[in-house]
Parts: sequence; structure tokens; C-alpha cells
Amino acid sequence: GAGVSQTPSNKVTEKGKYVELRCDPISGHTALYWYRQSLGQGPEFLIYFQGTGAADDSGLPNDRFFAVRPEGSVSTLKIQRTERGDSAVYLCASTPQAASTDTQYFGPGTRLTVL
Amino acid sequence: SQQGEEDPQALSIQEGENATMNCSYKTSINNLQWYRQNSGRGLVHLILIRSNEREKHSGRLRVTLDTSKKSSSLLITASRAADTASYFCATDRFQKLVFGTGTRLLVSP
Repeated sequence: GAGVSQTPSNKVTEKGKYVELRCDPISGHTALYWYRQSLGQGPEFLIYFQGTGAADDSGLPNDRFFAVRPEGSVSTLKIQRTERGDSAVYLCASTPQAASTDTQYFGPGTRLTVL
Repeated sequence: SQQGEEDPQALSIQEGENATMNCSYKTSINNLQWYRQNSGRGLVHLILIRSNEREKHSGRLRVTLDTSKKSSSLLITASRAADTASYFCATDRFQKLVFGTGTRLLVSP
């Protein structure tokens, strides 16, 4: 079946602009995760959803970052007033449920560049 | 913040040689996973080892876990050029993964 998909694959924007990044999880997966990966680093957790609700948003760096998952499937990560430091690859992953022993299935990521 | 550290940061070997990567972490865990990443994009799950397991095998991969030392190792035997990638360990922490800094493996033909 289809894996996790993310759009766009690349996004270039100017400092101060608003961007939306989309994630389509594997069908039927109830948990959805967002991570951010800076160059040369491992992915860092941002937020995870169990169904429609954000179960843990402790990784969001500040209030410019927000994510939604209104119907419990597709999720959108929204970044307001982008800064150059927001440049990174944003990764989405899904799991059948939120059990910690579940393998996470990752999408290909969105590379965000803020000029 | 990163949970763990992998070493070495980079490893360069010839095809056919074995590659060993190590991961250290800081807090108690339920399990530890290893992921592979090509070209800085999506990660692929390789293997999961639970805290009550000491060793696990999957094809050419062998993972060990020493919870007393808070460390794990990933061994890739008989490496191939296609194994060239970055490898990350990840520990579970309150139902989310905390990744290490990664090892960049280069396998030359």
C-alpha cells in the first residue's frame, strides 16, 4: 500500500512569510508525528497526534509553529513569520497506534529553505 | 534535544568489510530502534530491540543492547556500496522517538 507522503518536497520562502507543510499518513494509522531535522543532526520531535488531538506538542519551538489534524488523517504543519533558522527538513511519520514499541513509518520529508 | 550520541560520526570502509556503529543514551528506555536515512530525507526502520533483550539479528544486521552501560551497537556484516547512508539510533520516550546524532557510513566499491 501507499506509504507516508509529504508535500511539497521542497519549499523556498522569504523571511517573514507563512508556510504550510502537508503530511498524508498511511491509511488507518491513528498516530502521526512531526519531526524537524537540521543539517548534520538527527530528527527532533515537534508534535504528535493521536487521532485528531495533539497528544504532545512539547517539541514545538515557539508559538509561530502550529499543527492540525482535523479529521484524524491528513495533518498540516503551519509556520508563521518564518525565520532563517526554520530552514530544515520537516519529517512526518505515522504508526498504527501510539504504542512506544511501534515502528514509525516516515515520509520523504519537506525541505524548507527560508531566505 | 538529542537523547544520544552515535560514534563514530563518520565511517568509511570498503565493500565486504563489516561496519560497527555505537549509540549511547541517557535515560532508561523501553526499546531502542535503528533507522537508516539516505540523502537526508525519509528514514527507514531497520530493527527494534527491547530493553529486556541483549542481541537481535536481521539479515546482515546485528544489534546489541547493554542497558547497564546505556549503549547499543549496530553491526552490518559484508557491507555493500548500497549500505552507504546515515544511521540513527532512537529511543522511546513517552511515546515519541528521541534520535541520536547519527553515523554517516560510506562504503566504497
